[in-house]
Amino acid sequence: ETGVTQTPRHLVMGMTNKKSLKCEQHLGHNAMYWYKQSAKKPLELMFVYSLEERVENNSVPSRFSPECPNSSHLFLHLHTLQPEDSALYLCASSQVDRDTGELFFGEGSRLTVL
Amino acid sequence: AQSVTQPDIHITVSEGASLELRCNYSYGATPYLFWYVQSPGQGLQLLLKYFSGDTLVQGIKGFEAEFKRSQSSFNLRKPSVHWSDAAEYFCAVGVRSGGGADGLTFGKGTHLIIQP
Repeated sequence: ETGVTQTPRHLVMGMTNKKSLKCEQHLGHNAMYWYKQSAKKPLELMFVYSLEERVENNSVPSRFSPECPNSSHLFLHLHTLQPEDSALYLCASSQVDRDTGELFFGEGSRLTVL
Repeated sequence: AQSVTQPDIHITVSEGASLELRCNYSYGATPYLFWYVQSPGQGLQLLLKYFSGDTLVQGIKGFEAEFKRSQSSFNLRKPSVHWSDAAEYFCAVGVRSGGGADGLTFGKGTHLIIQP
């Protein structure tokens, strides 16, 4: 495995379900990110973890709950979602002490909320 | 806060023709600048990046971009496009935060269509 891997690639869930998205990075990076990509909108930064500590939460609704158990893994726990939460969720990683800002992205998890 | 504007939502180019995608940014200092490409159903792949030095940067797949500080622009160019270049292109800006994990701010993207 190389790069950033996201599972599942596609997820369909009802508004009352609980599910999780998983991200794993094999690059030895020390920061991980969740972005939301909706149609006709810029990518929205949701959560940032640096050295396994959450450093940013851009006013994301509490129905999204991130978890970063170690520097290689990042989860996004989903519960009681709304149809407008349907989007492509992208995970990314970076090495912050290189101070270059470059992000490496996974292929995304396409979420559909019915 | 920084922002990125990609004024063209869609661009159609004939195969073999030249391409220029526009990007303007707003930031108080010299930012880090990036162009990413996204094919349907895929994540974002880095095409090129500017941190400092030479304002003309070369990337993968024959792309290049030029940083113009006076115009706050970072336009992407390719001299001759191929049908496989059809995709969504995103310009992004990052801040110099001394090693912090700030993420990137992205533009809305430009959808590139290639005509045969």
